[in-house]
Amino acid sequence: EVQLVESGGGLVQPGGSLTLSCAASGFSISAYWMSWVRQAPGKGLEWVANMKEDGVGKYYVDSVKGRFTISRDDAKNSLYLQMNSLRAEDTAVYYCACDYIPNYFDYWGQGALVTVSS
Amino acid sequence: EVVLTQSPATLSLSPGERATLSCRASQSVSIYLGWYQQKPGQAPRLLIYDASNRATGIPARFSGSGSGTDFTLTISSLEPEDFAVYYCQQRTKWPLTFGHGTRLEIK
Repeated sequence: EVQLVESGGGLVQPGGSLTLSCAASGFSISAYWMSWVRQAPGKGLEWVANMKEDGVGKYYVDSVKGRFTISRDDAKNSLYLQMNSLRAEDTAVYYCACDYIPNYFDYWGQGALVTVSS
Repeated sequence: EVVLTQSPATLSLSPGERATLSCRASQSVSIYLGWYQQKPGQAPRLLIYDASNRATGIPARFSGSGSGTDFTLTISSLEPEDFAVYYCQQRTKWPLTFGHGTRLEIK
C-alpha cells in the first residue's frame, strides 16, 4: 500500500527556516516524480516544487525560487522541503505527493501545517 | 502562467442529479488537464488525468472531456459522498497550476 507521511511542520517566525520531511512506503520514490503542494487556510491548492525521478530535474513556483529546496534521500525513501526566509504568505498545509503519472498528483500525504507568524 | 478558471464557483444539486463542472484555460493545454476532489480535512484525490482518463479506483460516474482550453467534469448521478470541492490542474506548462475550485453542495 502506498503511504506518504509528512512531518516537521510547526510555528516559525518570519525570516526563519523549517524543513519538512515526507516518509514514503509501498513504493520507491526514486522511480517517480515527487512533489510538494500547499494549501493556505481556507484557500485553494498551489503547486510548490517537484523533482524528476532522475533526482536532477527540480522545478519550483516562482514565489519560492531561491528560498525553498526540494531534495530526497533514496536510502531513507524520503522527500524533503527545506524552507528558508519564510514569509507570512507561506503559511499553509504542505502536502507531499507522488506523481505516478508525471506532474499529476496521484498519491498524497495527510499534510503538515506550517505557520509563519511572530 | 496558465490561468485556469473554474465555473460555477458553487453548484447546488441534489443526490441523483447530474453535475457538470467547467474549467477554462487561458491558453491551450492540449489534453493535459486533471481533476481532483477534496473533502474537508482531507488531502485531494486525483479523479481524472489527461482530460478523460479515470484514475485508479475512481467510479464510472465520474467522466471528463475537453481539449485545448475548455474542459468538463461530469458526475452522472450524484452520490452523497460526492459533495466536495473540485479542482482542475494543468501539466502542460510550468508552473503547474490549479483552478480556484468549484464547491459542490447539497441542495
